[in-house]
Amino acid sequence: TQLLEQSPQFLSIQEGENLTVYCNSSSVFSSLQWYRQEPGEGPVLLVTVVTGGEVKKLKRLTFQFGDARKDSSLHITAAQPGDTGLYLCAGGHPAGNQFYFGTGTSLTVIP
Amino acid sequence: DVKVTQSSRYLVKRTGEKVFLECVQDMDHENMFWYRQDPGLGLRLIYFSYDVKMKEKGDIPEGYSVSREKKERFSLILESASTNQTSMYLCASRGTPLIWELFFGEGSRLTVL
Repeated sequence: TQLLEQSPQFLSIQEGENLTVYCNSSSVFSSLQWYRQEPGEGPVLLVTVVTGGEVKKLKRLTFQFGDARKDSSLHITAAQPGDTGLYLCAGGHPAGNQFYFGTGTSLTVIP
Repeated sequence: DVKVTQSSRYLVKRTGEKVFLECVQDMDHENMFWYRQDPGLGLRLIYFSYDVKMKEKGDIPEGYSVSREKKERFSLILESASTNQTSMYLCASRGTPLIWELFFGEGSRLTVL
């Protein structure tokens, strides 16, 4: 099993604040994905990064894959209540159907 | 639209009962997965299947078995449920090796008393 540690585990912030969530591992991955899960729903893919050092932006969300492809971060600018949810990173070796999920970060954005 | 449907959203069973969790996908995907989700532990892979009648153990297969008789359906079976199997169970599917996205169902929350 290849472990991914996310930090922080819980985050509660006011609307409009910025935040960063981290996903760290000692293993190298072919790809790194971020999913968001809302209460009562399954996770939904936000982004996939595959190149070391890669940065992707999705509106107010910025994702970065570490140079060594062992870690990733998710930065949210001006958080909105609609960003509330559980954020999961997943390191993968898709060719082998191997996806290893992080421990999750539960984000609450207070209006 | 992509759809993964899990048969039961909430189940309450007694210790020792046999439990079936069913998952159906309508995307003609080859690969299907069963995960369990527990707070602070993320998602842990129980089993996956890459074709009909084919299965591979994941990280925590003990106490579980699976069945894939048709491409669209992947079932998780708890032969004799125990209290430590109380959890959220998530089914996912994935298309060709070129497609890396996992599509998840809404989850089945199982409580074993």
